[in-house]
Amino acid sequence: EVQLVESGGGLVQPGRSLRLSCAASGFTFDNYAMYWVRQAPGKGLEWVSGISWNSGSVGYADSVRGRFTISRDNAKNSVYLQMNSLRGEDTALYYCAKDSVTQDGMDVWGQGTTVTVSS
Amino acid sequence: DIQMTQSPSSLSASVGDRVTITCRASQGISNYLAWYQQKPGKVPNLLIYAASTLQSGVPSRFSGNGFGTDFTLTISSLQPEDVATYYCQKYNGAPYTFGQGTKLEIK
Repeated sequence: EVQLVESGGGLVQPGRSLRLSCAASGFTFDNYAMYWVRQAPGKGLEWVSGISWNSGSVGYADSVRGRFTISRDNAKNSVYLQMNSLRGEDTALYYCAKDSVTQDGMDVWGQGTTVTVSS
Repeated sequence: DIQMTQSPSSLSASVGDRVTITCRASQGISNYLAWYQQKPGKVPNLLIYAASTLQSGVPSRFSGNGFGTDFTLTISSLQPEDVATYYCQKYNGAPYTFGQGTKLEIK
């Protein structure tokens, strides 16, 4: 079964850091780009970041560029999101998602991990 | 960056109705457009990719159309299980922006 499991969320004070992890199983991880998407409470989906299969290409939303860093470890079948200088507006459910076989959209999503930024 | 605008933001329709949701890109994106369905309390689910290709397992009452800047998602005969929020997303290059979503309810 193809599965993505996020972890690392929690309550953090503004200005602090947090590292999210996403463990993948059930597919050949190093064949696929991976993404982070977030959803603030009661709001829509926001694409946060993406990374190519070999880490050669990464991208970020304007809202997180310079504060967040995406990375992956193909040996561990995992993708990460290092989040620095956290703000209240970063409070959200963070999903990890897998690129589709044809690189057309995100065909597998994790259940998400919740990040709450508050003092 | 390219902006994605969906309309309407919310929609109420009766079972059996034909429903259409529109997504407009601020610049041309060819057919690099996906549609997702997110049921209440659930994870998003890929419905359509490449603007008009149905993802495996998605009911045939769903269809997509469009190219360039204007796209549509159509449900040919609305079913109770289609209650959800629908999002379009561009993927022709980062950022892979989502539309703001269209909340679909049953009348």
